[in-house]
Amino acid sequence: DADVTQTPRNRITKTGKRIMLECSQTKGHDRMYWYRQDPGLGLRLIYYSFDVKDINKGEISDGYSVSRQAQAKFSLSLESAIPNQTALYFCATSDSNRGPETQYFGPGTRLLVL
Amino acid sequence: QKEVEQNSGPLSVPEGAIASLNCTYSDRGSQSFFWYRQYSGKSPELIMFIYSNGDKEDGRFTAQLNKASQYVSLLIRDSQPSDSATYLCAVRFPLFFGTGTRLTVIP
Repeated sequence: DADVTQTPRNRITKTGKRIMLECSQTKGHDRMYWYRQDPGLGLRLIYYSFDVKDINKGEISDGYSVSRQAQAKFSLSLESAIPNQTALYFCATSDSNRGPETQYFGPGTRLLVL
Repeated sequence: QKEVEQNSGPLSVPEGAIASLNCTYSDRGSQSFFWYRQYSGKSPELIMFIYSNGDKEDGRFTAQLNKASQYVSLLIRDSQPSDSATYLCAVRFPLFFGTGTRLTVIP
């Protein structure tokens, strides 16, 4: 089984809809991240969480919110989806107690907003 | 100025040649530097990290760091067709990524 899983893997939604992307990990890592990837723009950090009670904005947090329900679960919500949020979304994890602190990525969620 | 800049390529090299991938960064305080590889349609996977000035070698891969010039590079020796992918440079923590360089190794 994969250590970092993302659901759904593909999602098509309409403008204005609220959607949630979920990430779960079995690696026992304390830190979790959400990135989006767009052609020509690379990976950009949306939100990150260093533990269950810690949430931090990344480069591009506007229009997104997150919830860290447990150490192993980190969800990303689009409150009112818009077409320019069409992208590939990756969840990642890392272990602050183990150096070097490497980020491990999930398989990605491909989101299309019509 | 972007946090991390890479030549987007594409970069093509013949099989067996050395591929050289370059990256510059803007934050002089950055302490850690990572190279990730991403195959088409897949998630990024770590190839190497480097913290200290100089070279770090791992098999066919060598990472080079020059903090004075704010420059980090990745050399791939004896390039293979299986090395064809996009290579992402990332700095500090949490990671800021460059846009990636697409490498094609021609058999």
